[in-house]
Amino acid sequence: AQTVTQSQPEMSVQEAETVTLSCTYDTSENNYYLFWYKQPPSRQMILVIRQEAYKQQNATENRFSVNFQKAAKSFSLKISDSQLGDTAMYFCAFMKLETSGSRLTFGEGTQLTVNP
Amino acid sequence: DTAVSQTPKYLVTQMGNDKSIKCEQNLGHDTMYWYKQDSKKFLKIMFSYNNKELIINETVPNRFSPKSPDKAHLNLHINSLELGDSAVYFCASSQLWGGNTEAFFGQGTRLTVV
Repeated sequence: AQTVTQSQPEMSVQEAETVTLSCTYDTSENNYYLFWYKQPPSRQMILVIRQEAYKQQNATENRFSVNFQKAAKSFSLKISDSQLGDTAMYFCAFMKLETSGSRLTFGEGTQLTVNP
Repeated sequence: DTAVSQTPKYLVTQMGNDKSIKCEQNLGHDTMYWYKQDSKKFLKIMFSYNNKELIINETVPNRFSPKSPDKAHLNLHINSLELGDSAVYFCASSQLWGGNTEAFFGQGTRLTVV
């Protein structure tokens, strides 16, 4: 079974600064997908960024980028120019496509607070 | 238009009651899920349906019964509610095969059993 670990329960950053959230995972698979989801106080789960394991290039979405290290099984999220609206719980998630049923396996989450 | 909508958003009920949560997606996705988020915010899958067929049933008490009348709907019925069932329940959908796999979530239903 796959596991996902987020070792930072809480982090804080000043507005306009850069912050990196860590995520490691354990799998014996070669093809899979990794995601970062954001959950603000509104409770809505919002996809931030997605990475296919077969792609060497790191995914980027505006101020959000990942550092995907497949051999190290590491998938960190970098948020540049942090904004107050980035305050949320961030979840790292793993998924492998399989006919027996694909599922998202989530990490424990990192609560990020952006301070003015 | 809301992509994945679930109702109700809040549900407060007494122990022993039976309740249902409804979910609908208008994205044309082939797979729908129920996830449970506990008091520590940990998210865990409960059920997965692919084209109305139950694919994943993840060690959930049989008081929980999902029902998928069609590809766009996945409802969750809970019998004999217990205090420990209090949690936030999320419905989600994705297009796994031939799609980009990402899951879209509903806004969650906060269930409180008193």
